[in-house]
Amino acid sequence: DQQVKQNSPSLSVQEGRISILNCDYTNSMFDYFLWYKKYPAEGPTFLISISSIKDKNEDGRFTVFLNKSAKHLSLHIVPSQPGDSAVYFCAASATSGTYKYIFGTGTRLKVLA
Amino acid sequence: KAGVTQTPRYLIKTRGQQVTLSCSPISGHRSVSWYQQTPGQGLQFLFEYFSETQRNKGNFPGRFSGRQFSNSRSEMNVSTLELGDSALYLCASSPYGQGSQYFGPGTRLTVT
Repeated sequence: DQQVKQNSPSLSVQEGRISILNCDYTNSMFDYFLWYKKYPAEGPTFLISISSIKDKNEDGRFTVFLNKSAKHLSLHIVPSQPGDSAVYFCAASATSGTYKYIFGTGTRLKVLA
Repeated sequence: KAGVTQTPRYLIKTRGQQVTLSCSPISGHRSVSWYQQTPGQGLQFLFEYFSETQRNKGNFPGRFSGRQFSNSRSEMNVSTLELGDSALYLCASSPYGQGSQYFGPGTRLTVT
């Protein structure tokens, strides 16, 4: 049972345009969400997070949107740069419960120069 | 501050053998989590240790076990290796287990 889903395995975007990566979850107990970026041969690196008390969090070129009613979050990267090409994972946890993160299967983003 | 380190980086084992992987968290971090990454499955949570106690466990068989030492370093052990255990094993540390985690580069285990 995949509680966190990233339905697009890959995405290609032109440099300078917006990249939108999507993530859906099924567990209504999830109240904290994170996005990680992973380059080959490296561990994931934290990008941005959002708590369920917010619907938007921004950090530079990265913005995460949370739609609790739809159980959906998205990561927007504007403008996209070739260095953003990586695999992006979303993760969710129920901070009121166990300190356990459930990850999606990842979306491979390719930013074309 | 040094990052999360994992040893060894690469390992080749034979079916039926056992293996121990090591993770040194960022200094001051008391929570260490382990994940298995396989193609198409994303990161699957194995377990989390905090102050030498296993606080959370994922849905993996008992062949997968771990421990944490008083200096927060953690080891993960897999006994009776199966071909399907071939994966990238990642550990991540955080101060208390909540919030963002900092990942190591992983140990690539190949079981033949």
